[in-house]
Amino acid sequence: DQQVKQNSPSLSVQEGRISILNCDYTNSMFDYFLWYKKYPAEGPTFLISISSIKDKNEDGRFTVFLNKSAKHLSLHIVPSQPGDSAVYFCAASAGGTSYGKLTFGQGTILTVHP
Amino acid sequence: SAVISQKPSRDICQRGTSLTIQCQVDSQVTMMFWYRQQPGQSLTLIATANQGSEATYESGFVIDKFPISRPNLTFSTLTVSNMSPEDSSIYLCSVGFATSGRWETQYFGPGTRLLVL
Repeated sequence: DQQVKQNSPSLSVQEGRISILNCDYTNSMFDYFLWYKKYPAEGPTFLISISSIKDKNEDGRFTVFLNKSAKHLSLHIVPSQPGDSAVYFCAASAGGTSYGKLTFGQGTILTVHP
Repeated sequence: SAVISQKPSRDICQRGTSLTIQCQVDSQVTMMFWYRQQPGQSLTLIATANQGSEATYESGFVIDKFPISRPNLTFSTLTVSNMSPEDSSIYLCSVGFATSGRWETQYFGPGTRLLVL
């Protein structure tokens, strides 16, 4: 049962344009969401997070949007840079007895072309 | 955040043997976790490493296969026991920091790449 899904295995974007990465979830108990970036041979790097009490969170070039009714979140990167090329994972947490446990999506490979 | 190191960074092992992976953090942390990323798959939580008590394992993972130690607030080990080729994965430790009272913002080590022949 894949509770967090990233349906696009890959995304290709031109440098300077917007990258939009999408994530869907099925567990209505999830109330905290995170995005991680992973380069080959490295561990995931935390990018940005959002609580379910918000619908948007911004940090520099990165913005995460949360649509609770659709159980959907997205990560916008503007402007995209070649150094952003990596695998992006969304993750979710339910709190309560699942406190601290992250459920990850399958990842989306982002390629930003110069 | 924290600086997290793992040893070894990679290893090739024979089936039936065991490997112990170490995770060291440069500051005291309350929450430490162990994850596995199988080839082409996402990250899956193996267990929460609890300081001073037994680890809490997720469904599908058992202590006999993945014994975990957490002797203090900066160090943990994960052992992959009686290995088979299906254990070939990247094993990652992570630490959790409170963000607005929640522990879910986790930071990851570089991972240990394990190949079992």
